Amino acid sequence: GAGVSQSPSNKVTEKGKDVELRCDPISGHTALYWYRQSLGQGLEFLIYFQGNSAPDKSGLPSDRFSAERTGGSVSTLTIQRTQQEDSAVYLCASSLVSRGGADTQYFGPGTRLTVL
Amino acid sequence: QKEVEQDPGPLSVPEGAIVSLNCTYSNSAFQYFMWYRQYSRKGPELLMYTYSSGNKEDGRFTAQVDKSSKYISLFIRDSQPSDSATYLCAMSAGSGGSNYKLTFGKGTLLTVNP
Repeated sequence: GAGVSQSPSNKVTEKGKDVELRCDPISGHTALYWYRQSLGQGLEFLIYFQGNSAPDKSGLPSDRFSAERTGGSVSTLTIQRTQQEDSAVYLCASSLVSRGGADTQYFGPGTRLTVL
Repeated sequence: QKEVEQDPGPLSVPEGAIVSLNCTYSNSAFQYFMWYRQYSRKGPELLMYTYSSGNKEDGRFTAQVDKSSKYISLFIRDSQPSDSATYLCAMSAGSGGSNYKLTFGKGTLLTVNP
């Protein structure tokens, strides 16, 4: 079946503009995650969704970042008033369910964001 | 000190070599240990998953976890050029509701030369 898909694959924007990044998880996966991968920083957790609710937003770097998930499926990560330090690859992952163990997270190809 | 430390390399080996990759960590709550492989411009894909201490083998890959030393390793036997990628270790806590949150190392870039 189809894996996690993300769009756009690349996004170049000007400082101060807002951007929206989209994630389509694997069908039936109830858990969805956003990570950011910066040069020299590795992957950093941003936010976790279980269904449409986000019980953990602790990784969002500032109030310019927000995310939502609708219908227990598609998620959108929005960055307002982008800054150059927001340049990174934004990765989305999904898993079947988050329970006692650590469920396998399947990653999408990422959106490469460049803020000029 | 970061919770997970991983030497970024780069590591370059000849085809057929045994490769050893490792990570150290500081959070004793970590119970689940994973290795992901990431090819250039792609998302990470899960290679190995281990719970608590011990060894796990899958084909040419062996994962080892030593919780007493807070040290995990991935061994690749008979390395192939197709193994050239960035290898990321990842960990998460056990019970308590935060098992979903993966903490990653920075990744080690491996090149296997034909």
